[in-house]
Amino acid sequence: AQRVTQPEKLLSVFKGAPVELKCNYSYSGSPELFWYVQYSRQRLQLLLRHISRESIKGFTADLNKGETSFHLKKPFAQEEDSAMYYCALSSRYSGAGSYQLTFGKGTKLSVIP
Amino acid sequence: NAGVTQTPKFQVLKTGQSMTLQCAQDMNHNSMYWYRQDPGMGLRLIYYSASEGTTDKGEVPNGYNVSRLNKREFSLRLESAAPSQTSVYFCASSPQGTQFFGPGTRLTVL
Repeated sequence: AQRVTQPEKLLSVFKGAPVELKCNYSYSGSPELFWYVQYSRQRLQLLLRHISRESIKGFTADLNKGETSFHLKKPFAQEEDSAMYYCALSSRYSGAGSYQLTFGKGTKLSVIP
Repeated sequence: NAGVTQTPKFQVLKTGQSMTLQCAQDMNHNSMYWYRQDPGMGLRLIYYSASEGTTDKGEVPNGYNVSRLNKREFSLRLESAAPSQTSVYFCASSPQGTQFFGPGTRLTVL
């Protein structure tokens, strides 16, 4: 069974400091990994998808299959980055045409002015 | 293009009451999902629908039922609400892989 672990419930950093939100996964197949962001009392929004290899709002994430990690990084934190961040792993349900997302429990990022 | 919409936004129920949460998407996605979000627990899948006419249980289905009315709509029903069902409920839809979320329904059961 797949599992996603985000070891930090809360991460506080000062504005302008680097940010790294950790995500580790376990999955027997070839993983597809995502980062979602949820601003206060809003819907989850897709931030990054590993196959896209893009940078959104200054965030990047690299899939490390050896360490089974997909950490989210940003060189200089901004106050507007304060939010809840969820790492998720996509896998296909066996026998069905639907893709399951398994979420980590989330990390709340607080950027201190 | 509204994406994924949910109604109502807020609801307060008494224990034992029933209600249906509505979800609709206009992106022509085959798959739709219902999650609940609780503090410290992340998102947990309640039910999903791979395509019109099919539904399957997720991680926490007890106390819930669903209906995939057509390709656009996927409803979640609480037949006899319990305080443990106090949560924020999110609907999502997906072509494959990436899921797109609705704004959520904040439900309180007294």
